[in-house]
Amino acid sequence: DVKVTQSSRYLVKRTGEKVFLECVQDMDHENMFWYRQDPGLGLRLIYFSYDVKMKEKGDIPEGYSVSREKKERFSLILESASTNQTSMYLCASSSSGRKNSPLHFGNGTRLTVT
Amino acid sequence: QKEVEQNSGPLSVPEGAIASLNCTYSDRGSQSFFWYRQYSGKSPELIMSIYSNGDKEDGRFTAQLNKASQYVSLLIRDSQPSDSATYLCAVGPPSGGSYIPTFGRGTSLIVHP
Repeated sequence: DVKVTQSSRYLVKRTGEKVFLECVQDMDHENMFWYRQDPGLGLRLIYFSYDVKMKEKGDIPEGYSVSREKKERFSLILESASTNQTSMYLCASSSSGRKNSPLHFGNGTRLTVT
Repeated sequence: QKEVEQNSGPLSVPEGAIASLNCTYSDRGSQSFFWYRQYSGKSPELIMSIYSNGDKEDGRFTAQLNKASQYVSLLIRDSQPSDSATYLCAVGPPSGGSYIPTFGRGTSLIVHP
């Protein structure tokens, strides 16, 4: 089974702090994703990476950056956390060996910025 | 703009009934379709994948795909209270497109005893 592990289940940070959310997958997947999910807004893609050091902006990249130095790890960085970044953050991975491969999600990180 | 539409619900069904969840999509070239179940406060869990027109059955779940009508559905037979969750429809990219699927906003299902 695919395992996608997010480093924290719950996180509380202060406004202005730099926040790191870590995600590791164990299936040698090429593709990794960061989403945020808010009530009524569905899943919104923040960033996508299709290879080490490669990234593409998603729908809402403002205020975020990402790092993918190793294939198995994809980090989301909030440069200066703000209260409107309070949300559930979901990491996912998929294989690009088959274009039709589904996404597999981690357990999520519920971030609260105070 | 690729779109995936789902009725937000809630869809309320009695225990033991068939729950029918529907999804339409805009990109006619899409080739892969997925259903995820998401319990409140949890992450989405893949429950069904379908790639060809017709029905695909897995236990109490049946996915139905009609590419001509750009329509995919999920049937849950003998619904249980434990099936109460939000169901997300996801549509994969067409051939040659990026690897990024498009998600619907989900349908909330409530199965009452």
